[in-house]
Amino acid sequence: QQQVKQSPQSLIVQKGGISIINCAYENTAFDYFPWYQQFPGKGPALLIAIRPDVSEKKEGRFTISFNKSAKQFSLHIMDSQPGDSATYFCAATYSGGYQKVTFGTGTKLQVIP
Amino acid sequence: DAGVTQSPTHLIKTRGQQVTLRCSPISGHKSVSWYQQVLGQGPQFIFQYYEKEERGRGNFPDRFSARQFPNYSSELNVNALLLGDSALYLCASSGGPAVPYNEQFFGPGTRLTVL
Repeated sequence: QQQVKQSPQSLIVQKGGISIINCAYENTAFDYFPWYQQFPGKGPALLIAIRPDVSEKKEGRFTISFNKSAKQFSLHIMDSQPGDSATYFCAATYSGGYQKVTFGTGTKLQVIP
Repeated sequence: DAGVTQSPTHLIKTRGQQVTLRCSPISGHKSVSWYQQVLGQGPQFIFQYYEKEERGRGNFPDRFSARQFPNYSSELNVNALLLGDSALYLCASSGGPAVPYNEQFFGPGTRLTVL
């Protein structure tokens, strides 16, 4: 059972544009929502993360918006650059028990000049 | 500080063989988790170890096993390899001081190809 749904599967954005990736989760026990960036041949790298008591978090060009009642969260990449071209995974985990991270299916972002 | 290290980088095996993958966590981190990432998909949780004890296991067959050593490094073993075991195996490190929530740091992975 997939507990984190992610869309779109792929995304092409013009340089300087805004990239938006959406995720939805089912398990209300999740209390930590990280986003990972993965380049080909590399492991995922933590990009930005949010807790459900916060509706928005911004770090540089990257912003997470979180809607707890709708169980949805999204990543916005402002002023997208060709170097942002990578696969992005939303994820969810919880403080209790063991630290299993449940990943979305990934979004392959291509930023074209 | 060195990040998570994994060895080997790449590995080619044939069906039915056994494989051992190794991981060294970030210094000071006491927990290691293993994930399998099939091409085009998100990582899937296999195991988590904390202080040498198994804390969690994902939906993987008993052919998959792991252990953690006193120095917090870890090994993942897969027996009786199947073609479907071909994937990138990721190790994640966590449980260090002042690390918020369940923040996990991933290594570069071991690319396993089963022929």
